[in-house]
Amino acid sequence: AQTVTQSQPEMSVQEAETVTLSCTYDTSESDYYLFWYKQPPSRQMILVIRQEAYKQQNATENRFSVNFQKAAKSFSLKISDSQLGDAAMYFCAYRPVRGTYKYIFGTGTRLKVLA
Amino acid sequence: DSGVTQTPKHLITATGQRVTLRCSPRSGDLSVYWYQQSLDQGLQFLIQYYNGEERAKGNILERFSAQQFPDLHSELNLSSLELGDSALYFCASSRDGTGELFFGEGSRLTVL
Repeated sequence: AQTVTQSQPEMSVQEAETVTLSCTYDTSESDYYLFWYKQPPSRQMILVIRQEAYKQQNATENRFSVNFQKAAKSFSLKISDSQLGDAAMYFCAYRPVRGTYKYIFGTGTRLKVLA
Repeated sequence: DSGVTQTPKHLITATGQRVTLRCSPRSGDLSVYWYQQSLDQGLQFLIQYYNGEERAKGNILERFSAQQFPDLHSELNLSSLELGDSALYFCASSRDGTGELFFGEGSRLTVL
């Protein structure tokens, strides 16, 4: 069965510093998508970054970047120059390219940003 | 604005009652997903529809049912409500080619 694991229930980072959130997944598929979603206190789900498994290059969106290690089935999110607005729950998610297109979400990591 | 519209945003009802949550996906998106999120919990996948047909089922209770209509909007029906059904219910839609999932703002259900 496909699973997504986020082993850090909570993380803290000082404003302007860098933090890395961990995510591992298990799948027998070779083609899939990986995502990081942010859920601020408003509880809106916002896509932060997306990675296609066939791409070796790590995705980057402004201050957000990923370290995608396909062989290790690891997909960590790095937030640089952390801002107070980055405080939120972060969910890692997986979806195979083919099949039922079912998205599997991790249990989330709560990120606190300290001023 | 994700383009996914959910109504109502808030709903308060009593145990034993029945409610219907409505979702309009983004224009052109054929897939609709329903998720349940209890307080400070992760997202529980309930059900997925693709172009009117049920495609995948998650941990959806028998008291819950859903459908997707020809105009692609979807409804989630929750019946015989219990206190534990209080949660935020998300609808999301996707266009299969891109893989990205777009979420609505959620319907917050409170069962008293």
